[in-house]
Amino acid sequence: QQQVKQSPQSLIVQKGGISIINCAYENTAFDYFPWYQQFPGKGPALLIAIRPDVSEKKEGRFTISFNKSAKQFSLHIMDSQPGDSATYFCAASLMNYGGSQGNLIFGKGTKLSVKP
Amino acid sequence: KAGVTQTPRYLIKTRGQQVTLSCSPISGHRSVSWYQQTPGQGLQFLFEYFSETQRNKGNFPGRFSGRQFSNSRSEMNVSTLELGDSALYLCASMRADMTQETQYFGPGTRLLVL
Repeated sequence: QQQVKQSPQSLIVQKGGISIINCAYENTAFDYFPWYQQFPGKGPALLIAIRPDVSEKKEGRFTISFNKSAKQFSLHIMDSQPGDSATYFCAASLMNYGGSQGNLIFGKGTKLSVKP
Repeated sequence: KAGVTQTPRYLIKTRGQQVTLSCSPISGHRSVSWYQQTPGQGLQFLFEYFSETQRNKGNFPGRFSGRQFSNSRSEMNVSTLELGDSALYLCASMRADMTQETQYFGPGTRLLVL
């Protein structure tokens, strides 16, 4: 019940295209859903995050779509660029679990390659 | 503002040894979480410390332990190392005042167990 399932495992997109990564969760108590971007040799960096009371959040070229009834959320990268080539992780956590959000449950990651 | 720093960046140990990794959080951040990243299992939560107390714990054996000091710096220790402990160990800090939720990750310590 603590799992977060992420797909696809890898994704190749042409420059200027749309990259879409999907995640599904089981625990309906999760209430914080961040996406992290990780480049080789670096730690993950927060890209964008959403709460369940919002169905969509957009920041620049990055959009999270959230479907509470389906227990799914997705990341859309518009106008994908070669610099976006990285591994993307979705995650979920409980706001009130132990009073913190310091225990993120991560998906397995999606390796995105954007071809020029 | 300096980011999360982790030392050492790389470490080679042999089976049966123990290791201590260090993490300095961003100034003003009171929560420090530790994660293990491996190609097979991905990113897995180890534990979180807040105000020198372990607040959350993941599903790892007791060989994995940690602590937090009064200045919020944290250490994690792995005793009796096994080959399967080879991984990137990531530390993340968070202000934890319930107004900001972002965890900021350090670059990690890459541990190789031979």
